Amino acid sequence: EVQLVESGGGLVQPGGSLRLSCAASGFSFRDFGMNWVRQAPGKGLEWVSFIVGIGRTTDYADSVKGRFTISRDNSKNTLYLQMDSLRAEDTAIYYCAKRGNYKGGSFDVWGQGTTVIVS
Amino acid sequence: IQLTQSPSFLSASVGDRVTITCRASQGISSSLAWYQQKPGRAPNLLIYAASTLQSGVPSRFSGRGSGTEFTLTITSLQPEDFATYYCQQLNSYPITFGQGTRLEIK
Repeated sequence: EVQLVESGGGLVQPGGSLRLSCAASGFSFRDFGMNWVRQAPGKGLEWVSFIVGIGRTTDYADSVKGRFTISRDNSKNTLYLQMDSLRAEDTAIYYCAKRGNYKGGSFDVWGQGTTVIVS
Repeated sequence: IQLTQSPSFLSASVGDRVTITCRASQGISSSLAWYQQKPGRAPNLLIYAASTLQSGVPSRFSGRGSGTEFTLTITSLQPEDFATYYCQQLNSYPITFGQGTRLEIK
């Protein structure tokens, strides 16, 4: 079964740091780009960051650029999001999502989410 | 690229046919996906490349459009279809989502 499981969320003070993890299983992790998407309480979806399957190519939303760093360890089938200089407006559920290679780049598998509260 | 969904809220009955529109601020070819999200759950991919049904998604869901205007249609609404729907553009970074359309039971 294809599965993504996020962890690492929690309560952190403004200006603090947190590292999220996303453990992947059931597919060849290295062959797929991965994303982080967040959803603030009662709000819509906001794309946060993307990383290619192999290599270092990444991209970020302007709202997190310079503060968040996406990375992956293909040997551990794990995606990460290092979040620094956290702000109240970063409070959200953070989802990792797999990019579908032949699906127009759409996000075909999502984790259950991990909650980050900055307060 | 900004995506604007309409309506933002939709009230309908079981068995109804509904259409949600997503308009892009510039042309995105067919690089559009639709997702369904139920309360407390992660989004679920319904349609990609504007009109291709994701495996396992019921055929009552369909998508159309290209360029700047897209639609998601649900024929014969079922109780499990009452949820929030989002469009997403994948034509260029930053990837963006529409603001969502909340579909509720009348």
